[in-house]
Amino acid sequence: NAGVTQTPKFQVLKTGQSMTLQCAQDMNHEYMSWYRQDPGMGLRLIHYSVGAGITDQGEVPNGYNVSRSTTEDFPLRLLSAAPSQTSVYFCATKEALPTRGYNSPLHFGNGTRLTVT
Amino acid sequence: QQQVKQSPQSLIVQKGGIPIINCAYENTAFDYFPWYQQFPGKGPALLIAIRPDVSEKKEGRFTISFNKSAKQFSLHIMDSQPGDSATYFCAAREGYNQGGKLIFGQGTELSVKP
Repeated sequence: NAGVTQTPKFQVLKTGQSMTLQCAQDMNHEYMSWYRQDPGMGLRLIHYSVGAGITDQGEVPNGYNVSRSTTEDFPLRLLSAAPSQTSVYFCATKEALPTRGYNSPLHFGNGTRLTVT
Repeated sequence: QQQVKQSPQSLIVQKGGIPIINCAYENTAFDYFPWYQQFPGKGPALLIAIRPDVSEKKEGRFTISFNKSAKQFSLHIMDSQPGDSATYFCAAREGYNQGGKLIFGQGTELSVKP
């Protein structure tokens, strides 16, 4: 049981390049989300999904796209990277069913450290 | 605009001291207030959480105090140890019928000196 797996761990991009950050989970959690962590800003929600085929925007969605075709995977796409997207990105999941998941904790991956030059 | 404001940004205490981290919020629709602990190179992990109908919750050496009227809550770490050195995040959850999203504070980097 691996939990939440993020790849890659580190990535350097040039301005304007595109890439996809991968997130996979094996806990059958309905809810998946992406956060970015920046010094002094804490963790800010980018996008989230409450199930396959359903996605919604968080606090800072601009410049990022997501899709959710399966329960297990929730990739985050940067279409044209900018230096302002230099950050550590975390994928987090939790149960979402209200009967079981009303106060269920978020399970985080170990992050992807992205640098855009 | 930060919906959850956390202070201080960093904190240094001696072993055995009682660090206190404070958070404030404005949105009265928040219905759940967890604290997460993060060690270097790792993702955050749930430490302790409280609902707004409770004024205090203790789990081991960790205590949350909650003041609903002031819209503030705080984390106290009793008999702090060097192993408690980590970054701590408070958070607040939007009501489940609003998506149940977790909004985090800015984080506090705690260092406990031996």
